[in-house]
Amino acid sequence: DAGVIQSPRHEVTEMGQEVTLRCKPISGHDYLFWYRQTMMRGLELLIYFNNNVPIDDSGMPEDRFSAKMPNASFSTLKIQPSEPRDSAVYFCASSLAPLVEQYFGPGTRLTVT
Amino acid sequence: GENVEQHPSTLSVQEGDSAVIKCTYSDSASNYFPWYKQELGKRPQLIIDIRSNVGEKKDQRIAVTLNKTAKHFSLHITETQPEDSAVYFCAASQGNTDKLIFGTGTRLQVFP
Repeated sequence: DAGVIQSPRHEVTEMGQEVTLRCKPISGHDYLFWYRQTMMRGLELLIYFNNNVPIDDSGMPEDRFSAKMPNASFSTLKIQPSEPRDSAVYFCASSLAPLVEQYFGPGTRLTVT
Repeated sequence: GENVEQHPSTLSVQEGDSAVIKCTYSDSASNYFPWYKQELGKRPQLIIDIRSNVGEKKDQRIAVTLNKTAKHFSLHITETQPEDSAVYFCAASQGNTDKLIFGTGTRLQVFP
């Protein structure tokens, strides 16, 4: 397996634009997590899914953020409209089961100017 | 909710010395404690984990200890090597959920 795949790897956009980040988890993994990493706040869990169903989105900062998982092999994290404070590295991770090793993707570095 | 504190924020050691990183957690229901290593510009990767029914776990030069009473756990790296240089994150499960709360990270530098 190629591991968790994320795209794009880098995204630079202007404030107010819509941004869509994409993730393909490892095949057979039932759990998918979206994290945001910044120097100030560290690694924060935004939302996670179990069997394509969102379980906990309490980490989503505000209504500008939304996430979907239409099938077991694809998830998106959308920011609309984007703001400079959204600049961060966004990681997607997947795991076979709860509270076991999470496999992280390479991350998407988002810069909002 | 769960709060995880990690110390120190930076740690410099000479090659061959040991390194210890400590974390404390607040939720007595936490039962899973992984450690992740993140090299510069790379993704976090699990290096070792421990569950609440175990007090210590070792894997070659890495060990983790857990003190449930005091609500703290530590990562021990012996015989450090330059390739151990990275940021290390501890994490704790939040109560009876499937969520992990991460510490703020420790930047370890191993000098040859």
